[in-house]
Amino acid sequence: AQKVTQAQTEISVVEKEDVTLDCVYETRDTTYYLFWYKQPPSGELVFLIRRNSFDEQNEISGRYSWNFQKSTSSFNFTITASQVVDSAVYFCALSDPGWGKFQFGAGTQVVVTP
Amino acid sequence: NAGVMQNPRHLVRRRGQEARLRCSPMKGHSHVYWYRQLPEEGLKFMVYLQKENIIDESGMPKERFSAEFPKEGPSILRIQQVVRGDSAAYFCASSPGGRDEQFFGPGTRLTVL
Repeated sequence: AQKVTQAQTEISVVEKEDVTLDCVYETRDTTYYLFWYKQPPSGELVFLIRRNSFDEQNEISGRYSWNFQKSTSSFNFTITASQVVDSAVYFCALSDPGWGKFQFGAGTQVVVTP
Repeated sequence: NAGVMQNPRHLVRRRGQEARLRCSPMKGHSHVYWYRQLPEEGLKFMVYLQKENIIDESGMPKERFSAEFPKEGPSILRIQQVVRGDSAAYFCASSPGGRDEQFFGPGTRLTVL
């Protein structure tokens, strides 16, 4: 069975600080996809990044970066120089290789204060 | 290219009434997924549909809930005889294929009084 764990329920930072969100997953599949989504107070879900299990290259996209470590089943996400607009709930998700059923973590609330 | 559309955005029902939630996928997408988000929780998968077919409904409650995605028109999630525990945000997502990124709609927030 698939499982996604986001152990941090809430993280509070002051603007311009970096914030790292942890995500640990469990799956028996050898091929899978990992995602991060953002849910701002308005409620919609905003796609941030997708990674497949064969690509452990870590990248940076603007203020976002991620650290995918297959050996530890972790897919952490970092926001650099946080801004108030980054305040939201962030969800990590895992999909299987078949048709893409998503397993979401419980989410981490990020609060960025000025 | 319009995104995934859901309506209504907010729906209020009294216990025992029926709720119908609609989802129009993005143009060119033939795969639709429904998820439920209870207050203070993450999203839980409910059902996966392709046109005229239910592919996986393993997350659907056994009673009162049904979903369809007809050949023409939006996908419908139907909840009969709603109870207070059905109050949640219901998100629809669509994708062009099963392994592709899912694009989410804005959600329908159902409140059962």
